Amino acid sequence: EPEVTQTPSHQVTQMGQEVILRCVPISNHLYFYWYRQILGQKVEFLVSFYNNEISEKSEIFDDQFSVERPDGSNFTLKIRSTKLEDSAMYFCASRQGFATNEKLFFGSGTQLSVL
Amino acid sequence: QQPVQSPQAVILREGEDAVINCSSSKALYSVHWYRQKHGEAPVFLMILLKGGEQKGHDKISASFNEKKQQSSLYLTASQLSYSGTYFCGTESQAGTALIFGKGTTLSVSS
Repeated sequence: EPEVTQTPSHQVTQMGQEVILRCVPISNHLYFYWYRQILGQKVEFLVSFYNNEISEKSEIFDDQFSVERPDGSNFTLKIRSTKLEDSAMYFCASRQGFATNEKLFFGSGTQLSVL
Repeated sequence: QQPVQSPQAVILREGEDAVINCSSSKALYSVHWYRQKHGEAPVFLMILLKGGEQKGHDKISASFNEKKQQSSLYLTASQLSYSGTYFCGTESQAGTALIFGKGTTLSVSS
């Protein structure tokens, strides 16, 4: 089965530093997402991206966050000035479309630790 | 709007059955069910679209009552491999983001 690839698998950073999380969605997918999961908690929606623009975002996705699709394959999440509470597992997901039975494919995640 | 899942946790012996519920205060277009093992990404189980259908594979099935805006996941004759956290994700209309509930932790012991 095709896979969503995320790098790095672990990222440690100092508070106030910028981080970029990288994702390579499945090649023929059109819709891309970032979710995050604080340890032991639910999977929280951050942002969805379609046709080179943000289609939806949650309250969590404030001015410190941005997303980009710099080329035809990568999809990135940038956090400009990390805070301790940004520590979480960040999942990228992609979806081919919204037709019947279009599931989300999740990557294996990037564990971000902010010290 | 976040769907509400119940119960929060279930403890089973192998072979026992469980039902996990997911409800929403908003009209739903679809409900997705995922299972997550500790330290891993969520794994897709099934999608149910509005229309009240019931789906299943192996010993895991689900129903969707669009009038009540509820879905239930049925796990029968549970196996050790069923252990994990089950999340329902809901879409209020096609094209909107999938919003997940807080999850139900299922523990199956031998």
